[in-house]
Amino acid sequence: GAGVSQSPSNKVTEKGKDVELRCDPISGHTALYWYRQSLGQGLEFLIYFQGNSAPDKSGLPSDRFSAERTGGSVSTLTIQRTQQEDSAVYLCASSFPLGGSNEQFFGPGTRLTVL
Amino acid sequence: AQTVTQSQPEMSVQEAETVTLSCTYDTSENNYYLFWYKQPPSRQMILVIRQEAYKQQNATENRFSVNFQKAAKSFSLKISDSQLGDTAMYFCAFAGNQFYFGTGTSLTVIP
Repeated sequence: GAGVSQSPSNKVTEKGKDVELRCDPISGHTALYWYRQSLGQGLEFLIYFQGNSAPDKSGLPSDRFSAERTGGSVSTLTIQRTQQEDSAVYLCASSFPLGGSNEQFFGPGTRLTVL
Repeated sequence: AQTVTQSQPEMSVQEAETVTLSCTYDTSENNYYLFWYKQPPSRQMILVIRQEAYKQQNATENRFSVNFQKAAKSFSLKISDSQLGDTAMYFCAFAGNQFYFGTGTSLTVIP
């Protein structure tokens, strides 16, 4: 597709379950970012990939959060043993390599609700 | 540490009027880029305008323009002739060795 896609668009889960969120970046974009956005709030940086490597994982809030990227393309954000405070919109963005005028292109987000 | 600060959590403007959203940042880098993103209620983030730090001329995109003051590390966004469709969250962002977003300003255009 022409833009960044994310799936699912909405996910409702029960506390304690694991969830996987998927991001398909724009073809050719080597950088990929995950952010979390709580209702009406700003963007909380989670993790950044350059290719398949994650040079910056500093934003992952706990060890229940992990992410991987394979083939320099699709990325999956996994949240284990979900908690109610994990409820938020998870946004993915991609760009050409970090640095320069490389704007980030965002996906539509996945709204996660933990009951 | 590099930070981006948006000191106005909420703003409103009458339709057709002009509004300015402020953004300041802190960096030790000399070469970087600044962006304003718009996030309407649909939640899709859209790039509004970008500014290269090495350029003195302020960027302009139709009704949107910036006032870039490098020495003051200030990067404000001016929206002229505000339209109802401008109602959104606006995020200022810094791109150097890393990418940083501000906390956002919620703008409401009042008919």
